[in-house]
Amino acid sequence: KQEVTQIPAALSVPEGENLVLNCSFTDSAIYNLQWFRQDPGKGLTSLLLIQSSQREQTSGRLNASLDKSSGRSTLYIAASQPGDSATYLCAVRPGDSNYQLIWGAGTKLIIKP
Amino acid sequence: NAGVTQTPKFQVLKTGQSMTLQCAQDMNHEYMSWYRQDPGMGLRLIHYSVGAGITDQGEVPNGYNVSRSTTEDFPLRLLSAAPSQTSVYFCASSLWTGNGELFFGEGSRLTVL
Repeated sequence: KQEVTQIPAALSVPEGENLVLNCSFTDSAIYNLQWFRQDPGKGLTSLLLIQSSQREQTSGRLNASLDKSSGRSTLYIAASQPGDSATYLCAVRPGDSNYQLIWGAGTKLIIKP
Repeated sequence: NAGVTQTPKFQVLKTGQSMTLQCAQDMNHEYMSWYRQDPGMGLRLIHYSVGAGITDQGEVPNGYNVSRSTTEDFPLRLLSAAPSQTSVYFCASSLWTGNGELFFGEGSRLTVL
């Protein structure tokens, strides 16, 4: 059964630092992996979607990588800003999916001014 | 562009009452789904639909019903509310049923007393 883990559960860094958020999954047979951002009391916003055939995706200061063989994805945030403070979640669509996503519990990121 | 709209945003019910959470999207998405989010547990899929007239169960369907009479609407019905159904509920949709980017509503916070 596919499981998704995000470590650490919380992270606090000073403004301006580059940082990496981690997402691990137990079964390498996946269709894709998505990173989402959730602000307090709000819904989720899709940040990046990586298909199984891709190694990385970039959007502005965000870069997500995917290594299926090791069951890992990382979300790299360059030059962090206080506005980046949010909870970041990753979700995997398994290869045998009946349209379900398997979710990590998220990493709560705080960027200190 | 409204995207995914959920109502109500907040609701308090007594045990045994029934209610319907509404979800509508204006993006002509085929795939729609309902998740619940509980602290420390990540998101769990309740029900999903791959098109009008087609619905299926997710990971935690018990106590909930859905229908999909139109492409735009996907209501979630709580048949007889229980305290265990206290949660934040999210509706999400995507253009394709396979590998599409997922768009979320802002959530409905339900408390069952």
